[in-house]
Parts: sequence; structure tokens; C-alpha cells
Amino acid sequence: KAGVTQTPRYLIKTRGQQVTLSCSPISGHRSVSWYQQTPGQGLQFLFEYFSETQRNKGNFPGRFSGRQFSNSRSEMNVSTLELGDSALYLCASSTNPQGPTDTQYFGPGTRLTVL
Amino acid sequence: DAKTTQPTSMDCAEGRAANLPCNHSTISGNEYVYWYRQIHSQGPQYIIHGLKNNETNEMASLIITEDRKSSTLILPHATLRDTAVYYCIVRVALNDYKLSFGAGTTVTVRA
Repeated sequence: KAGVTQTPRYLIKTRGQQVTLSCSPISGHRSVSWYQQTPGQGLQFLFEYFSETQRNKGNFPGRFSGRQFSNSRSEMNVSTLELGDSALYLCASSTNPQGPTDTQYFGPGTRLTVL
Repeated sequence: DAKTTQPTSMDCAEGRAANLPCNHSTISGNEYVYWYRQIHSQGPQYIIHGLKNNETNEMASLIITEDRKSSTLILPHATLRDTAVYYCIVRVALNDYKLSFGAGTTVTVRA
């Protein structure tokens, strides 16, 4: 079974621009979660989508948004990029993280650099 | 508040077993112990999880003490590709949708 895929793997943008990242979950997984990972803050939860609905949201500004499509693929968007948005953005999929013993599987991540 | 405590780093010889300890003295009865690892600049990789009983899969074994206050991840035959940061977390599977990693243990496997 193919794993979680994320595109692009690397991205360089300048301040003020916007960016869209894509995530394809493992086949059959309906939940997609997004995380931001930085050396200083570690792994931080952005939001989780299940069946095209945002179920949970972390403590990030409104510049960070996402959506999920009917095939469970998900995109996240960051508008008006700031230098501090430079990070590894990770997508994780699961059948249902609010179910018993469900496991989240991560993709390889998208390395975003904001100049 | 930190729920788990792990050593900062450890070395292991290639081909030998690597035993990674984790303390979770405040674990609740409905919390599972999960292990992930992250090779430099890659996404975290799920390894194993358990509640009370010892668990084994193709990657590793998880030994949980009877009082559940600590556990050990065992990589039976470490290879150079096992060099990574290993994260031990406790998680209530139901309604615990977001993962949070601490600093983890940096494991270096040496030839």
C-alpha cells in the first residue's frame, strides 16, 4: 500500500507571497492532519480534516487554512508568508484519529523556506 | 507539561540491540505508549504502540513495565539506517487527535 505523499517536497518563497501544499493520504484513510515542525517549537498541530470537514484546529493564525476533497486528498494554504513560516510541513493520515488505537502515518513533508 | 522523559542521546553498535528507555510515571489507565522515529529532515515514522502488554512487530519490540510507569523500545539488530531521533509519547487514542513530540532520544548507530 502506498504511503502518504506530499508535494512539493521543497519550496522557496518570499515574504508576502502565498503557498499551497498538497497531501495524498494512504488509500482508505479519511483523516488528514497537518503539522508544522521547526527546531525551536517542535511539532505543532495545525488542523485535522475528516470527510471534507475541518474537525479540529490548532492555535495558528487565520493565514493558515486548509481543505479536504472528496477523495480525501488535502491541501493547506498559507497566505502573506512571514519569515517565521519557514518550517517542515507534515501531513499525517489515519482512518480516524478519534477512534480507538488509530495510528497516524506521516508523509515525507514539504520543506518551506521563506526569504 | 512533559508526559514522558527520555535520555537526550545514546550510541549503539551496528548489529547489536538498541534499548531505548522512556519514563511515563503519570500515565493514565487509558493512555497508550506510542513510539515514532524521525530520520533527519524526513517525516516521522510510526514504530509501535502498546497499552499494557509487550508488543512486537517487524521493526521493534515494546516492553512496558507492570506498573506502566516506564517502557523500553528494543531495536533487535540496529543498522546504520536506524540512526534517528526516537520519540516516546503517551496518547489517549480516543479523542486524542493531535500528536505532540518532546525532544526525543537521538540514537546514533556506529559501524
